Amino acid sequence: SQQGEEDPQALSIQEGENATMNCSYKTSINNLQWYRQNSGRGLVHLILIRSNEREKHSGRLRVTLDTSKKSSSLLITASRAADTASYFCAYRMDSSYKLIFGSGTRLLVRP
Amino acid sequence: DVKVTQSSRYLVKRTGEKVFLECVQDMDHENMFWYRQDPGLGLRLIYFSYDVKMKEKGDIPEGYSVSREKKERFSLILESASTNQTSMYLCASSLVQGGNQPQHFGDGTRLSIL
Repeated sequence: SQQGEEDPQALSIQEGENATMNCSYKTSINNLQWYRQNSGRGLVHLILIRSNEREKHSGRLRVTLDTSKKSSSLLITASRAADTASYFCAYRMDSSYKLIFGSGTRLLVRP
Repeated sequence: DVKVTQSSRYLVKRTGEKVFLECVQDMDHENMFWYRQDPGLGLRLIYFSYDVKMKEKGDIPEGYSVSREKKERFSLILESASTNQTSMYLCASSLVQGGNQPQHFGDGTRLSIL
């Protein structure tokens, strides 16, 4: 399967702590994206990192990409209860229109 | 902001019925997508359209068809609904084929086939 693998599957932290989620994939990619999904809702795009980039920031989000290890991580700093959601990585392979989604990490931030 | 609107949040149909799921986007995006999302299986692409009247099969097209008569509207059709098509269906759109453009999602339709 080309589906990306994410770990952990579930993560529970206290408000104010940092949350780190990891994504691994199996092929060469053009870009990798992270999405957030609140319960029962659609996905919301968070950040995109190109294959020639190693790190990218957006507010409290930091994404890294290691193409040699075929892995990416999403760090959410100073988490808030409102960050509670599922987080998905998705990557686009070279020469493909499709996004391949990971299995997701369920994040619970306790107040 | 891009808005992708799916016609129903919840839908209950019977086995054998023909089911239409509608999706409309308001940002003149060329690409539109239909996914289904199931626990443990993540998002799987059913069909993709890169222009009016153009479509390509995704990973799981069996039992589904699509229609794109206008740029802003992409319909998913279950020709004869079956219980294994009970799922969350998500529509998405993006600006250009391939490239570094994110996909914008609707809120989903939770479909139950009885």
